[in-house]
Amino acid sequence: EDQVTQSPEALRLQEGESSSLNCSYTVSGLRGLFWYRQDPGKGPEFLFTLYSAGEEKEKERLKATLTKKESFLHITAPKPEDSATYLCAVPNTGSARQLTFGSGTQLTVLP
Amino acid sequence: DTAVSQTPKYLVTQMGNDKSIKCEQNLGHDTMYWYKQDSKKFLKIMFSYNNKELIINETVPNRFSPKSPDKAHLNLHINSLELGDSAVYFCASSQQGSNQPQHFGDGTRLSIL
Repeated sequence: EDQVTQSPEALRLQEGESSSLNCSYTVSGLRGLFWYRQDPGKGPEFLFTLYSAGEEKEKERLKATLTKKESFLHITAPKPEDSATYLCAVPNTGSARQLTFGSGTQLTVLP
Repeated sequence: DTAVSQTPKYLVTQMGNDKSIKCEQNLGHDTMYWYKQDSKKFLKIMFSYNNKELIINETVPNRFSPKSPDKAHLNLHINSLELGDSAVYFCASSQQGSNQPQHFGDGTRLSIL
């Protein structure tokens, strides 16, 4: 069964304090890994797709990396507006159009 | 110019009622989805649908049914609502292909009294 596990469940950082979020996955034949950001009362907002081990993607203060077993979302010098829940997801083994999501990391950046 | 829109945003109703949630996307995508997000914020796929294929997650009760009048719309009908159906329901869409990102609406919060 496909599984996606995210850690930590919650993370509080001071503004400017860099850190990383982890997403580990178990799936037969990875066909991509997606990162999303979700703000309270909103739907997930797409951030990145990573396709193969060793790939990296960047957007402003965020950088996503991928290995054969996990992905990291590195947040450099975060700001309070980076506060959100960050979700990762992988296409299902059975039906690649359907995604299995992790339970997310709730990030709070304090001013 | 909302990309994926759902209505209503909030839905409060009694147990046993039948209700529908509407979803529309203006992105020109050919695949649409329904997800359920429970109280622990865990997002779980319910259906994926395009004009060729409906895939139903095996855990979804048959009281839930998607209906697509056209490629830009995928509505969710729920019969005989139960207390456990209380959750936030998200609609999403994507281009065909497993590596295409899905774009989500802002959700419908369903509360069963």
